[in-house]
Amino acid sequence: DAKTTQPPSMDCAEGRAANLPCNHSTISGNEYVYWYRQIHSQGPQYIIHGLKNNETNEMASLIITEDRKSSTLILPHATLRDTAVYYCIVRANAGGTSYGKLTFGQGTILTVHP
Amino acid sequence: SAVISQKPSRDICQRGTSLTIQCQVDSQVTMMFWYRQQPGQSLTLIATANQGSEATYESGFVIDKFPISRPNLTFSTLTVSNMSPEDSSIYLCSVAGGAYGGYTFGSGTRLTVV
Repeated sequence: DAKTTQPPSMDCAEGRAANLPCNHSTISGNEYVYWYRQIHSQGPQYIIHGLKNNETNEMASLIITEDRKSSTLILPHATLRDTAVYYCIVRANAGGTSYGKLTFGQGTILTVHP
Repeated sequence: SAVISQKPSRDICQRGTSLTIQCQVDSQVTMMFWYRQQPGQSLTLIATANQGSEATYESGFVIDKFPISRPNLTFSTLTVSNMSPEDSSIYLCSVAGGAYGGYTFGSGTRLTVV
């Protein structure tokens, strides 16, 4: 699975959009971009994933560049409860029967302040 | 998405003893994963457990230290054997699946070895 690079930490004001970048310059054509977050002392939580098109769900938006070498997770209106470590992971097979392991990097510590 | 019950949530153990962690899923799943998260670190995959076959261990992890059972499609255990203080970590189980190819994690077992 491709390696990802994220900034170690970021700050965001409550109510503002949080934009978390991720570089994955060695991503392969069949690899998806996944985002998870881990709130202190809890298991990681799935946020969103995508292949090449931008994606949006009730939690966040995912913007993937046209060359797919980087992406940005957007939390449109960050709250204090969004303070967590955010992990960007790339791997093949977003479904079906070919599941495999997730490889976690160090992630980005997002701190949302009042 | 699957719901995972992981027990115990935390424990303090004496060095040289063993602890068995249980992971119960509310639906049948093919693949289950066990991760370790050392203090201040990201998650590291220990092994992948498929029902009816031997677990597949990642580099640096061995069956004698971390034996895994997978008796059916809804349950797995991880044993941390002959514990030392270096084994103090959070241990998490995870399953693949869900509507969008995501992975679900248990809430983790916080282990302290004294």
